[in-house]
Amino acid sequence: EVQLVESGGGLVQPGGSLRLSCAASGFTVNNYFMSWVRQAPGKGLEWVSVIFSVGTTYYADSVKGRFSITRDNSKNTLYLQMNSLRAEDTAVYYCSRGTSSGWYGADWGQGTLVTVSS
Amino acid sequence: QSALTQPASVSGSPGQSITISCTGTSSDVGNYNYVSWYQQHPGKAPKLMICDVSKRPSGVSDRFSGSKSGNTASLTISGLQAEDEADYYCCSYAGSKSHNWVFGGGTKLTVL
Repeated sequence: EVQLVESGGGLVQPGGSLRLSCAASGFTVNNYFMSWVRQAPGKGLEWVSVIFSVGTTYYADSVKGRFSITRDNSKNTLYLQMNSLRAEDTAVYYCSRGTSSGWYGADWGQGTLVTVSS
Repeated sequence: QSALTQPASVSGSPGQSITISCTGTSSDVGNYNYVSWYQQHPGKAPKLMICDVSKRPSGVSDRFSGSKSGNTASLTISGLQAEDEADYYCCSYAGSKSHNWVFGGGTKLTVL
């Protein structure tokens, strides 16, 4: 059974940093396209970043240069390093598994809340 | 990349059919058959309902179907049931240059 469990969210001041983790089980992270998707309170879904099965990474313009998506094959875990955080980054962050050749949100974690506030 | 355009809300009575539209551009919906649809109940994670425009994942009711014409994709739910009441989001691949994906703003479905 595929499981995705996010952690690492919390309260951080503007300009601060946070690293989110997404522990995967039931499959091997580096064989799939994996994405982070966020949802601000009361708002819609926003795609944030993807890492291809070959390791290439891409980002939404809103986070480019500030966020970094990585994976640790030994821990079967996906990460999102978030730097220079802004109030508008406040959201529930979901990790999502795609397929071996592309991404759509086939499986999702439960999400972790990031609040950026002073 | 601008969000795809969905109606803010739709409604229908049990047993009826409804269709939710998702309008993009020739750079996303119109250029790729990579449209997906998600159902989200309050406080829950999204659930995949349709991928690749019209494919239904295993376990998803055949009351849900997807289609596309030009720059507009559509999700149709037939035989509405109370448990279908939720938010629905479309999503499209948005380009081989930027390798981005873009979501719609979401549609609140109310079952009357």
